[in-house]
Amino acid sequence: GQNIDQPTEMTATEGAIVQINCTYQTSGFNGLFWYQQHAGEAPTFLSYNVLDGLEEKGRFSSFLSRSKGYSYLLLKELQMKDSASYLCAVREVATDSWGKFQFGAGTQVVVTP
Amino acid sequence: DAGVTQSPTHLIKTRGQQVTLRCSPKSGHDTVSWYQQALGQGPQFIFQYYEEEERQRGNFPDRFSGHQFPNYSSELNVNALLLGDSALYLCASSLESSSYEQYFGPGTRLTVT
Repeated sequence: GQNIDQPTEMTATEGAIVQINCTYQTSGFNGLFWYQQHAGEAPTFLSYNVLDGLEEKGRFSSFLSRSKGYSYLLLKELQMKDSASYLCAVREVATDSWGKFQFGAGTQVVVTP
Repeated sequence: DAGVTQSPTHLIKTRGQQVTLRCSPKSGHDTVSWYQQALGQGPQFIFQYYEEEERQRGNFPDRFSGHQFPNYSSELNVNALLLGDSALYLCASSLESSSYEQYFGPGTRLTVT
């Protein structure tokens, strides 16, 4: 089984930077994912880390440390449209597939003017 | 290119009834996963279907069952509905040969009264 912990809510100002931390425990790690979910909508894929280090994609970056069971999502140059829930998800290794996803409860990011 | 579609959008059922939710995967995808998302929580993995068979299962009772058809579309069935089954049910599709792409549908909002 897995435990995935992330803060419940974060507030930041438009144009600022916010870092969302995620810690996890897993019996078999096979990738860490970040999704964005606007209220009433489906989650959309943001980033994927399977090796340690930083992955950068435009204004979004994600970092992984497998030894520490730790990841963060960095959102730069915040825009009002970035107000959403950000979900940390760990994929657990399986013998017959890529594995199943376990999601954290999500971090609600509120961007203020 | 059609994305993941789900039907119905909303559904209201009475405790004890049975419900069937439907999902059509993104064109070209062969794997379908189902999730339950309670309000304010992250998606919880129910099960995954590939080649018309259930391959992975989360911690859900046998009241939750599913099916995948030869065209890769899928159904989620829930019997003997409980009030606690009220949630957003998300379908996600992926390609077996891909390591990380998972696309979510808009979900079905189920309310049990």
